[in-house]
Amino acid sequence: GAGVSQSPSNKVTEKGKDVELRCDPISGHTALYWYRQSLGQGLEFLIYFQGNSAPDKSGLPSDRFSAERTGGSVSTLTIQRTQQEDSAVYLCASSTQTGAYEQYFGPGTRLTVT
Amino acid sequence: AQTVTQSQPEMSVQEAETVTLSCTYDTSESDYYLFWYKQPPSRQMILVIRQEAYKQQNATENRFSVNFQKAAKSFSLKISDSQLGDAAMYFCAYRSVSGTASKLTFGTGTRLQVTL
Repeated sequence: GAGVSQSPSNKVTEKGKDVELRCDPISGHTALYWYRQSLGQGLEFLIYFQGNSAPDKSGLPSDRFSAERTGGSVSTLTIQRTQQEDSAVYLCASSTQTGAYEQYFGPGTRLTVT
Repeated sequence: AQTVTQSQPEMSVQEAETVTLSCTYDTSESDYYLFWYKQPPSRQMILVIRQEAYKQQNATENRFSVNFQKAAKSFSLKISDSQLGDAAMYFCAYRSVSGTASKLTFGTGTRLQVTL
């Protein structure tokens, strides 16, 4: 079956612009996660959604970052007024709510802020 | 908060040989999950193997096996009969069982090179 997909694959934007990153999880997966992978910071958790519950936003680095998940499926991560330190690979993952809740990752979006 | 440490930034192994990647973690929880993920240059994180902390038996997936030492909070990955396709970044990750579907906490990764 289809895996997690993310778009765009790469995004170059100017400092101060807003960007939207999209994640399409595996069909039937009720949990969706966003992580950021940057040099010097490793992989860090940003936010996760689980079903109809309120999202866990504890990893969002600032109020410039927000995310939503529509209809329990597709998610959009929005970064407003981008800064150069936002340059990173943004990874999305999804999982079921059974067993080890193994997370399956998408290919990521590489964001470059110039 | 839990932490995961990978003390080997880079490792190298010859094709067909065996290599062990180290991972230690810190937690006050008694039950949790541990994972090894592989990230090739394509960026896609691929689940290699998982271990439930309540299981004493070490997990094995084909050429990949773990040495889980709960008391020592150690979770190493052994790759046998290394292949060129094993070259990648390997990340160790921890997941709590408290709360459903919670986040993964990752180590900083080990870059594995496979030579002929």
